[in-house]
Amino acid sequence: SQKIEQNSEALNIQEGKTATLTCNYTNYSPAYLQWYRQDPGRGPVFLLLIRENEKEKRKERLKVTFDTTLKQSLFHITASQPADSATYLCALDDATGNQFYFGTGTSLTVIP
Amino acid sequence: KAGVTQTPRYLIKTRGQQVTLSCSPISGHRSVSWYQQTPGQGLQFLFEYFSETQRNKGNFPGRFSGRQFSNSRSEMNVSTLELGDSALYLCASSLVGLVDEQFFGPGTRLTVL
Repeated sequence: SQKIEQNSEALNIQEGKTATLTCNYTNYSPAYLQWYRQDPGRGPVFLLLIRENEKEKRKERLKVTFDTTLKQSLFHITASQPADSATYLCALDDATGNQFYFGTGTSLTVIP
Repeated sequence: KAGVTQTPRYLIKTRGQQVTLSCSPISGHRSVSWYQQTPGQGLQFLFEYFSETQRNKGNFPGRFSGRQFSNSRSEMNVSTLELGDSALYLCASSLVGLVDEQFFGPGTRLTVL
C-alpha cells in the first residue's frame, strides 16, 4: 500500500542545534516533494519544493535533500530557534500530478 | 496582497445534513485545492479546481463535491453528513496547481453531531 512516513511523531532538540526530519515513502514515484510548516490552529505554510532531478535545495537556515533511490527526503533546520517549534509536513505527488499526499507530520520542539 | 480566506471558520451540523464551505483564493491564483485534516488520518487531498474545472480528485466518496466560479472562488459541499466528517477543512490556492507552492487558508472547523 502507499505510505508516507515521517520520523517519530515528536522531536525535541536544544536551541542552536540542527534539527533533521525524515520523510520516507513507499510505492510512489513523485516528480517533486514539498515541505510545509503548520502551527496549531492554522493552515500549513509552504517552506521548500525539490524536484526529482535535484539532490539538494537551500533557503536561509533550511536545507532539503531528495534521494529517489532511497525514497527519502531529509529536511534540516540549522541553528534552530524556539520559534521553529511547529509540526512539519512533507507532501508529494503521484508522478501523474493528479494526486497530492501529505505525510503524517513531525512535531518539532526547540528547547531554549 | 490578501491571503486565502475561508468562511465560515466554525460550523456545527447534525448527521444527515449538508454543508457548503467557501474559499477565496489569493488574487491571480487560478488553482484551488481542498483538504480534510483529522487527528487520525492527517491531511488528505480532496480535489483541485483550475479555471472552473475539476482537474484532480482524491479518494473521497461522492458526497464530497466542489465547484469553482469564474472569479476563482471555490465552494465545497458535503451532503448527508456523517460523524466521521468532523474535521478541519483547508483550502489552498496556487498559480498553476499542485506542482506549485500552495498557500493555505485558516480552515473551517466542521463538527458533526
